[in-house]
Amino acid sequence: SQTIHQWPATLVQPVGSPLSLECTVEGTSNPNLYWYRQAAGRGLQLLFYSVGIGQISSEVPQNLSASRPQDRQFILSSKKLLLSDSGFYLCAWSRRQGIIFNNEQFFGPGTRLTVL
Amino acid sequence: AQTVTQSQPEMSVQEAETVTLSCTYDTSENNYYLFWYKQPPSRQMILVIRQEAYKQQNATENRFSVNFQKAAKSFSLKISDSQLGDTAMYFCAFMGNAGGTSYGKLTFGQGTILTVHP
Repeated sequence: SQTIHQWPATLVQPVGSPLSLECTVEGTSNPNLYWYRQAAGRGLQLLFYSVGIGQISSEVPQNLSASRPQDRQFILSSKKLLLSDSGFYLCAWSRRQGIIFNNEQFFGPGTRLTVL
Repeated sequence: AQTVTQSQPEMSVQEAETVTLSCTYDTSENNYYLFWYKQPPSRQMILVIRQEAYKQQNATENRFSVNFQKAAKSFSLKISDSQLGDTAMYFCAFMGNAGGTSYGKLTFGQGTILTVHP
């Protein structure tokens, strides 16, 4: 069976410090990977998605970046955190079937980030 | 760009009763997918139900069913025999299929907080 892990679960960081959040998927290969942010317990906003190693697409301009160094590893980073980066970050994966991307997304447990 | 609107920030229902959560969306695509996700207090996102736009029959999953009105771009979720464990935030989500190049991206509504009272 497939599982998705995120760590850390909770993080408190000062403004201006760097950030690295990690997401890994087990039990599948060549997944699509996604990073979402949920602010103030409301809707999810897609930040980045990746369809393969080293392939990253950004949905919104921001202070964050993403990388995919391995097939099942997705990393969210920042060089200098802002107060507005606080939120709940969710990683998700979905299967790929050729060029058809019509499968559900499976979400990780999330990371709660507080920037002080 | 697609948009998803959930006009009910909060809803409440008595245990064992039925409740309907509303969702409307805007798209120019003809083939797409709609989802309802549940986020309980643990904040784990859980898929509740999925609907393919090309299917006229409304999807059902046990106590959960949808009313999909493609012309009206409406996708409501009905929860029958509500249980205390249904208390959660519910998100409606849209996935386009733009010739297969949507990359499976989801556009979420703002969510509806559902509270089931004993």
